[in-house]
Amino acid sequence: EPEVTQTPSHQVTQMGQEVILRCVPISNHLYFYWYRQILGQKVEFLVSFYNNEISEKSEIFDDQFSVERPDGSNFTLKIRSTKLEDSAMYFCASSVDTWGNQPQHFGDGTRLSIL
Amino acid sequence: KQEVTQIPAALSVPEGENLVLNCSFTDSAIYNLQWFRQDPGKGLTSLLLIQSSQREQTSGRLNASLDKSSGRSTLYIAASQPGDSATYLCAVNAGGGNKLTFGTGTQLKVEL
Repeated sequence: EPEVTQTPSHQVTQMGQEVILRCVPISNHLYFYWYRQILGQKVEFLVSFYNNEISEKSEIFDDQFSVERPDGSNFTLKIRSTKLEDSAMYFCASSVDTWGNQPQHFGDGTRLSIL
Repeated sequence: KQEVTQIPAALSVPEGENLVLNCSFTDSAIYNLQWFRQDPGKGLTSLLLIQSSQREQTSGRLNASLDKSSGRSTLYIAASQPGDSATYLCAVNAGGGNKLTFGTGTQLKVEL
């Protein structure tokens, strides 16, 4: 069964450094998402992306964050200057549509640790 | 603002029991509700999706119901097995870029 793949599985970065998290969505999916889960807390929506544009973003997704689909297969999340509070598990997801008919499929996540 | 709550936070049952997990949400204007399973240190596995026009969905031993007017959903697991041990999350899609709003989850342990 097709799946969403994320790399790396674990990223350790010094505070203030830039980090790029990578995702390969399911091949026929058109809608892409990033979520995060701080340890012990709820999964939180960050951003949705369709047709090379951001569809919606949360309050968390400030100017330090950006997303990109650099080619036909990858979807990336960049954090420009990481903070301690950015430490979390980051999940990429994709879906065929946004009309509520099909589920979002999630990757296994990237655990980001900021030192 | 949509709020999603799950009760109980944790549940321990002996193998073979039938059980019900509860999810409630504050805004009934939703497109769909999705149930997920999360194993420790892993991603989210989609279990069932119920569209707003549906009352229930079934997959194997799992049955999810939706009462949109009262803002509630339940996940029924029949004949539980140790392999069902995981955290179960419900998430509501209220449109607006298709974002999901998640509950805090129910941590289930099925004991031999």
